[in-house]
Amino acid sequence: EAGVTQFPSHSVIEKGQTVTLRCDPISGHDNLYWYRRVMGKEIKFLLHFVKESKQDESGMPNNRFLAERTGGTYSTLKVQPAELEDSGVYFCASSQDLTAAVEAFFGQGTRLTVV
Amino acid sequence: DQQVKQNSPSLSVQEGRISILNCDYTNSMFDYFLWYKKYPAEGPTFLISISSIKDKNEDGRFTVFLNKSAKHLSLHIVPSQPGDSAVYFCAASEGSQGNLIFGKGTKLSVKP
Repeated sequence: EAGVTQFPSHSVIEKGQTVTLRCDPISGHDNLYWYRRVMGKEIKFLLHFVKESKQDESGMPNNRFLAERTGGTYSTLKVQPAELEDSGVYFCASSQDLTAAVEAFFGQGTRLTVV
Repeated sequence: DQQVKQNSPSLSVQEGRISILNCDYTNSMFDYFLWYKKYPAEGPTFLISISSIKDKNEDGRFTVFLNKSAKHLSLHIVPSQPGDSAVYFCAASEGSQGNLIFGKGTKLSVKP
């Protein structure tokens, strides 16, 4: 069974540009989460999808970030325009267990560097 | 303002001995706690969890203890193996469906 897959693994962009990160969850997983780890800090929650609906987007830092999950399968996270402080590792996670959705499987992450 | 704290950034243990990783939390609404393990260039991997109605959960070499009155949990690894060397993250949530609040992690090194 394929795990959670994230594309790209690395991205280096200039300040002001747009970047789109993609996450393919484990097939059949309704719950999809996005997290971010900024250098030296803890992993922080961004948002949670249940199928195609945003269950909780309280962690999204500002309106430069847009997440979508059309059709309830893969998800994209777009940053537009990117700022220096957006640099970090963006993790996607998915789960199916309705009793413990937080016991999620994580992808390997996308390392975003904004210069 | 960190709600989940791992005060030891690193821990070094001899192979075969016990590793004890500690975690403190401040939010009394947290009722589900997890430990994740992370190797370099990989995402976190779920290890073990515990709900607030329990004070202990065991899975093979891994045991998590929860002390609600002290708002403290710990992960015991016995016996420790070199392959256990990784960064361990403590995480908590309100309920088992919501988002996770992570600590900063503790880097465990198990020496042969």
